[in-house]
Amino acid sequence: DTGVSQNPRHKITKRGQNVTFRCDPISEHNRLYWYRQTLGQGPEFLTYFQNEAQLEKSRLLSDRFSAERPKGSFSTLEIQRTEQGDSAMYLCASSQDLVGGEQYFGPGTRLTVT
Amino acid sequence: QKEVEQNSGPLSVPEGAIASLNCTYSDRGSQSFFWYRQYSGKSPELIMFIYSNGDKEDGRFTAQLNKASQYVSLLIRDSQPSDSATYLCAVSGFGNEKLTFGTGTRLTIIP
Repeated sequence: DTGVSQNPRHKITKRGQNVTFRCDPISEHNRLYWYRQTLGQGPEFLTYFQNEAQLEKSRLLSDRFSAERPKGSFSTLEIQRTEQGDSAMYLCASSQDLVGGEQYFGPGTRLTVT
Repeated sequence: QKEVEQNSGPLSVPEGAIASLNCTYSDRGSQSFFWYRQYSGKSPELIMFIYSNGDKEDGRFTAQLNKASQYVSLLIRDSQPSDSATYLCAVSGFGNEKLTFGTGTRLTIIP
């Protein structure tokens, strides 16, 4: 049973560039979540999908952020016109479609905006 | 007021002793409670979850939940140096599956 995978693991980009991250959830999980974590803080919720439907977006998710899960399998998170404040670890998690279903995290993508 | 509060630590515990980690939450509608372990530079790893008042044991770990006091704790028995990590408490609500995390407690096990 493979876990959640994320690519790339590290991304360094210059301010103003666009970046895209990919997440592949655990195969039988139909819920997929994106979180962002900065140093010394717990992960903060960004958005989540049930199958291909995006059910909730955080106020943290500005217009520069967009997430998709077109076929209910993998998901992408795109950040347009990156800013230095976007530097963080971007975490993806997945869970089964159960109330209180446990979320399992991928290894994360560390973004550095220079 | 933060929604989920944890002491940031560091908490230092001798090897072989019991480590006790605490978490309080503000939303009385919270239904599910999780403990994650996070090593430096790594992603969170789920170690315990609890949904009902009382204790839940899994190996050396015991999670305790008191919904009336809005309090959840994690006990680690026979602490090992490999338990040194940051422990994150997370909660979610019924019909609202996003996790709200505390800032984590950094635990150091002293050999």
